Amino acid sequence: NAGVMQNPRHLVRRRGQEARLRCSPMKGHSHVYWYRQLPEEGLKFMVYLQKENIIDESGMPKERFSAEFPKEGPSILRIQQVVRGDSAAYFCASSLRDRIYEQYFGPGTRLTVT
Amino acid sequence: DAKTTQPTSMDCAEGRAANLPCNHSTISGNEYVYWYRQIHSQGPQYIIHGLKNNETNEMASLIITEDRKSSTLILPHATLRDTAVYYCIVRVENTDKLIFGTGTRLQVFP
Repeated sequence: NAGVMQNPRHLVRRRGQEARLRCSPMKGHSHVYWYRQLPEEGLKFMVYLQKENIIDESGMPKERFSAEFPKEGPSILRIQQVVRGDSAAYFCASSLRDRIYEQYFGPGTRLTVT
Repeated sequence: DAKTTQPTSMDCAEGRAANLPCNHSTISGNEYVYWYRQIHSQGPQYIIHGLKNNETNEMASLIITEDRKSSTLILPHATLRDTAVYYCIVRVENTDKLIFGTGTRLQVFP
């Protein structure tokens, strides 16, 4: 059973470009979560999604950031017009519906904005 | 969510038990205690969770005090690969997000 997959593992973008981060949850998991980790800091919750629904986006910046989890395909975290402060590791996690606190994390995408 | 307090760092000799404490003195009756760890540059890894009773799995044991105000994660025979940041998290049933604090940086040495 493959774990949570994230791609790309490393992404370099220039200021003003768009970044798209993809996450495929574990097989059978219907819940997806995105977290951000700035260098030398802890993980911060961003958004929680189920298929075709955003359940909690209280940790998402109000501008430039969006997330989706379509009926088919991976979850996407999209950052428009990236700035240097967006440079971070972005982790995706997934869980079963009735075990939302037993989250399984992917390897992360390291975004560098130049 | 109840706030947790953990030591910033700890050392442990390889092969010995690592005992990682967590204080959650404001925990309420329906809040669970969860432990995760993050090995350098990797995604966090779920370890164990509990409500009232002590719990054990293949990775670790969780000891929760009778008043539930503190808990200890025990790695019975620490290895070098257990070097990581360990996070103690409490949550209310049916809420959705994990709130990671600063955790305890455990260094296992040979």
